[in-house]
Amino acid sequence: GNSVTQMEGPVTLSEEAFLTINCTYTATGYPSLFWYVQYPGEGLQLLLKATKADDKGSNKGFEATYRKETTSFHLEKGSVQVSDSAVYFCALNFGNEKLTFGTGTRLTIIP
Amino acid sequence: GAVVSQHPSRVICKSGTSVKIECRSLDFQATTMFWYRQFPKQSLMLMATSNEGSKATYEQGVEKDKFLINHASLTLSTLTVTSAHPEDSSFYICSARDSRQGNTDTQYFGPGTRLTVL
Repeated sequence: GNSVTQMEGPVTLSEEAFLTINCTYTATGYPSLFWYVQYPGEGLQLLLKATKADDKGSNKGFEATYRKETTSFHLEKGSVQVSDSAVYFCALNFGNEKLTFGTGTRLTIIP
Repeated sequence: GAVVSQHPSRVICKSGTSVKIECRSLDFQATTMFWYRQFPKQSLMLMATSNEGSKATYEQGVEKDKFLINHASLTLSTLTVTSAHPEDSSFYICSARDSRQGNTDTQYFGPGTRLTVL
């Protein structure tokens, strides 16, 4: 079946540091890939997505590139802020099927 | 665009009572909505898929008679936790799939409902 593996947290960084959260997937075919962010006590917000190989999703300074050859969709940001502290979920699906989530990575940014 | 609301955001009830949670897509139509449960510091667990005008599809291990789902319109789905017990206390999150062409792979999530059963 389909699966998503995320880098285990928690991750703690200083403000303005470079962020990478690794995400790899296992699936037959070419799924759509997503990053969702969950702030404390809230639901999930779609951060970015990519639907085919070599697509780059970007939003709020975050980027992720759909790498078919390495089945990866790593999340990156050049300079993190305290307000980026949250839990980040990588996910995939095929068309209108249900999402398969990773376990989530808790990110804490220290001033 | 693509806003999903949930009501209530928090509810506290006594053991044995039933609680209804509403999920609404505010600016788009959603033929399919999903209900998730999330335990502290864990990922989301899909409970059921709700299709407008038809019966919900429940994931393995989820009691359909305990978690009643109704999707009566293209913008509203409800989850009723019947005869709630303390072990049902959790964070319940819904999502709605955008029915518009070219965006059907994307789910938009509500803010969640924190249920506490005393």
